Amino acid sequence: LPVLTQPPSASALLGASIKLTCTLSSEHSTYTIEWYQQRPGRSPQYIMKVKSDGSHSKGDGIPDRFMGSSSGADRYLTFSNLQSDDEAEYHCGESHTIDGQVGWVFGGGTKLTVL
Amino acid sequence: EVQLVESGGGLVQPGGSLRLSCAASGFTFSSYWMSWVRQAPGKGLEWVANIKQDGSEKYYVDSVKGRFTISRDNAKNSLYLQMNSLRAEDTAVYYCARVYYDSSGYNLDPWGQGTLVTVSS
Repeated sequence: LPVLTQPPSASALLGASIKLTCTLSSEHSTYTIEWYQQRPGRSPQYIMKVKSDGSHSKGDGIPDRFMGSSSGADRYLTFSNLQSDDEAEYHCGESHTIDGQVGWVFGGGTKLTVL
Repeated sequence: EVQLVESGGGLVQPGGSLRLSCAASGFTFSSYWMSWVRQAPGKGLEWVANIKQDGSEKYYVDSVKGRFTISRDNAKNSLYLQMNSLRAEDTAVYYCARVYYDSSGYNLDPWGQGTLVTVSS
């Protein structure tokens, strides 16, 4: 199974830009991942999928200032013009099919603080 | 509006059982795979189980195999998780989520608000 690694925390100033990273295990470096946002006390919300070629597909209502990209085994979620509402935990996840069985693995999550 | 509402969580002793429910509305429930995902206090997300549209295929994370059973009732637009032989490490908020598929693959969208299961004596 893939292993997804995320730094536990990140911070940036209001109005700034920041890039969050999700790193796939090396043997799974071509996999597509998903980003989910979890605001404090709330359930996760799907943001987008990011493919190995850097293309991404967003969920409904996700603002244009959220962008996805890739480099090698790294998958990124970039925010521009950071808002206070962006302060949340961000999880990356990967859906896989092994022997016909579909399941998910998730990274440990990154807590984003807006200063 | 697409909505998922979980219920059935609570405090249970180790070795006990609990049945979670998830009521779906705003979409054709019988057309989608469904999932349960949990989150232990202060921890990340852990996928628990999936079930196919007609209930004919079910998949579980290794740590709950043989103890948890996912099921659904399409006539009632409801998803269930029967949890037996509960352990302290099963303590978590349990979310139900719809499995969405498009040309770029699967994702979980939307998620319910979650229900807390606490396993403690």
